[in-house]
Amino acid sequence: QTVVTQEPSFSVSPGGTVTLTCGLSSGSVSTDLYPSWCQQTPGQAPRTLIYNTNTRSSGVPDRFSGSILGNKAALTITGAQADDESDYYCVLYMTRGHWVFGGGTKLTVL
Amino acid sequence: HLVESGGGLVQPGGSLRLSCAASGVIFRSYWMSWVRQAPGKGLEWVANIILDGSERYYVDSVKGRFTISRDNAKNSLYLQMNNLGVDDTAVYYCVTVASGYYFDNWGQGTPVTVPS
Repeated sequence: QTVVTQEPSFSVSPGGTVTLTCGLSSGSVSTDLYPSWCQQTPGQAPRTLIYNTNTRSSGVPDRFSGSILGNKAALTITGAQADDESDYYCVLYMTRGHWVFGGGTKLTVL
Repeated sequence: HLVESGGGLVQPGGSLRLSCAASGVIFRSYWMSWVRQAPGKGLEWVANIILDGSERYYVDSVKGRFTISRDNAKNSLYLQMNNLGVDDTAVYYCVTVASGYYFDNWGQGTPVTVPS
């Protein structure tokens, strides 16, 4: 069974930079898995920030960026702001018609 | 704009049919999925259906119990859920799948509760 791994929690200071990662229990994350990143604030529906590894969705600030770092997908927030405090989910397209979400990272900005 | 409906309280072993009405999107041009979130837990992809409904995919935990379907003439997506269990308690989101295999538009979700 494929498990997508994320840090359960992370903390960043306002104005700081943080990189969240997304790995696989077995194997590497590559662009072939079309990694995307979703943001969810409490009580709200998720929204997709980054897709196809590094493409920002419309309206997403450029302080959010995606990449592949080693064998993982990564979401970097440069110049974190208070309203970036959210849960962040990685999602991988594993095979035709199937996706797997990571467990999510709770980001605290303080 | 996606609006889900049909959620509610159902006893274990019962059934529910969720609906999702799409507007402002060319519904027939999108693969569609259902994603759920159990209380206090993360997101879980549940089911997907391609443009014409000829291919349907499910997470293992719902295979044989859930059926995804669509009506392109009505711009609507459905999820028939049978033999529901406690572990199916979640908010169910209707989502469009954009080219590039990512979840583009999200509804606000409809809650399903199966009490223990």
